[in-house]
Amino acid sequence: SQELEQSPQSLIVQEGKNLTINCTSSKTLYGLYWYKQKYGEGLIFLMMLQKGGEEKSHEKITAKLDEKKQQSSLHITASQPSHAGIYLCGAYVLSNDYKLSFGAGTTVTVRA
Amino acid sequence: DSGVTQTPKHLITATGQRVTLRCSPRSGDLSVYWYQQSLDQGLQFLIQYYNGEERAKGNILERFSAQQFPDLHSELNLSSLELGDSALYFCASSVGASGGDTQYFGPGTRLTVL
Repeated sequence: SQELEQSPQSLIVQEGKNLTINCTSSKTLYGLYWYKQKYGEGLIFLMMLQKGGEEKSHEKITAKLDEKKQQSSLHITASQPSHAGIYLCGAYVLSNDYKLSFGAGTTVTVRA
Repeated sequence: DSGVTQTPKHLITATGQRVTLRCSPRSGDLSVYWYQQSLDQGLQFLIQYYNGEERAKGNILERFSAQQFPDLHSELNLSSLELGDSALYFCASSVGASGGDTQYFGPGTRLTVL
């Protein structure tokens, strides 16, 4: 099973509308990363959150980390076609292997 | 552009064959990571090298091996290839050896095993 669960698995949003993606860990998180991937291409780093309650924004994308819930959310405001893609969360989780684990990804489609 | 380069971009080969994937990290980064991404398994960590030494091992098969050279570029060798090895293989790099560093990903090598 995935150590990081992302929801929803996919979503379709009308251009100009907001959307939120969630990433929940079953284990203690040590750093939470958000990446964006165009299908078949490399991952583009969006932002990293390290402290509980931390919130970061870049252009129209905001990410928050809730340490108590072991959860992060990614919020896109006024979505544009350029926001379409697969969003992956990654985190170092408390486990035997100190490695960056990834969620399965959320596919975002923006309709004009 | 992340600054991480990977070659080749695409690779098509037959079962039983051996291939080598190459990765050059960002300037100044000492760690190189290899990942495999497939539809059924998602993005899986394979192995990490830091300054030429193996640092961490993930779900890497015995048929696969990697190394990092003195100039810090890395190669991932895949042998006795099977159909199930078809996937996107990503290389990432970071400054340090430990967790907490941001990993920057290359564009990937798409491997197709026929």
